[in-house]
Amino acid sequence: AQSVTQLDSQVPVFEEAPVELRCNYSSSVSVYLFWYVQYPNQGLQLLLKYLSGSTLVKGINGFEAEFNKSQTSFHLRKPSVHISDTAEYFCAVSSMDTGRRALTFGSGTRLQVQP
Amino acid sequence: DGGITQSPKYLFRKEGQNVTLSCEQNLNHDAMYWYRQDPGQGLRLIYYSQIVNDFQKGDIAEGYSVSREKKESFPLTVTSAQKNPTAFYLCASSITQTSGGGELFFGEGSRLTVL
Repeated sequence: AQSVTQLDSQVPVFEEAPVELRCNYSSSVSVYLFWYVQYPNQGLQLLLKYLSGSTLVKGINGFEAEFNKSQTSFHLRKPSVHISDTAEYFCAVSSMDTGRRALTFGSGTRLQVQP
Repeated sequence: DGGITQSPKYLFRKEGQNVTLSCEQNLNHDAMYWYRQDPGQGLRLIYYSQIVNDFQKGDIAEGYSVSREKKESFPLTVTSAQKNPTAFYLCASSITQTSGGGELFFGEGSRLTVL
């Protein structure tokens, strides 16, 4: 079985400050990792994904994430946030085995960017 | 433009009534999924389908039913057996279950409220 833990339910930050949203996963096999963003009353949009290769992954809107296999983490970072980044962010995992064939999501982190 | 269309966006239901949420995609994706979203709980998998005329239960299938008669369509019925149906429902698709690590493309969601 696989699971995802997002350690912070809410993260308040001032505009132009850096931010890190934390994500840890648990799986008995190798995984693929994703970050999605959701604006109010909308569906989810892919920010970035790690499938293989470089552990530092760059995504849309200036976000990046680093896969750390030893710490089973995939934290999301942005060096300078904007008001428009206010949204809910979800970390998700899928496994490389032939068992569960759908993404497992964390509980989400609400990023609140203040002026 | 290609995408996933969910309807209706908002739906109100009286207790004891079945309701069906529509999900149509024109992305030519093989796999389709239904997730339920509740505040603070992230997304939980209800049902998924890899190919036409085949589908599997997810983590919270009780009180729900689906069909997959056409590749483009994956409707979800919320039955009167679902004890707490008020939620935001998200439909998603992927090229195949394994392509891109299982990356999902989401619709805009349907918000169901039981009165």
